[in-house]
Amino acid sequence: DGGITQSPKYLFRKEGQNVTLSCEQNLNHDAMYWYRQDPGQGLRLIYYSQIVNDFQKGDIAEGYSVSREKKESFPLTVTSAQKNPTAFYLCASSIERNYGYTFGSGTRLTVV
Amino acid sequence: DQQVKQNSPSLSVQEGRISILNCDYTNSMFDYFLWYKKYPAEGPTFLISISSIKDKNEDGRFTVFLNKSAKHLSLHIVPSQPGDSAVYFCAASRYTGNQFYFGTGTSLTVIP
Repeated sequence: DGGITQSPKYLFRKEGQNVTLSCEQNLNHDAMYWYRQDPGQGLRLIYYSQIVNDFQKGDIAEGYSVSREKKESFPLTVTSAQKNPTAFYLCASSIERNYGYTFGSGTRLTVV
Repeated sequence: DQQVKQNSPSLSVQEGRISILNCDYTNSMFDYFLWYKKYPAEGPTFLISISSIKDKNEDGRFTVFLNKSAKHLSLHIVPSQPGDSAVYFCAASRYTGNQFYFGTGTSLTVIP
């Protein structure tokens, strides 16, 4: 079955560490997105990519980095520069820009 | 600045009755709207969409209404079922845009 796989489901990070969240899709979608969800807030866009080897900053890109070396993969690195990284992270893809999204099941990151 | 707002954080409805979830947006350029349903610890799943050329779209028990002049949309679920208990997000975009903007979500509880 086609879909988006995010791993790990839960991740704990020590302060000062970088961590990478995985996102893989087998839907043959061109566009991929990373959103962050915090309690009482909507989903906020971190980064998006419309094509391999190209990506753009979203509304809250500071402290994050991404790569898009393969169509299927869009990993997100949460760097030590991100001051408040504890959140629920969602990866999504769409067949083309601004078409409806398919979401992964999310990764909950906690700083300890 | 929140461009999409869901002012009711929660809603409780008796099984079999109608659930009405509301969403307001501020950007008059938005012309495509989606509703997503989300269970805890899972990614959102697509529910129903509407474009600005319509004012109503139905899919089974779910109907979305769009009032462009009021910049308001609503999701009606009739009849409500216990399995509908979830968080519902509305999202909006411009056709020429690069992302969807999400509301903060409304937690629906359907009481058996």
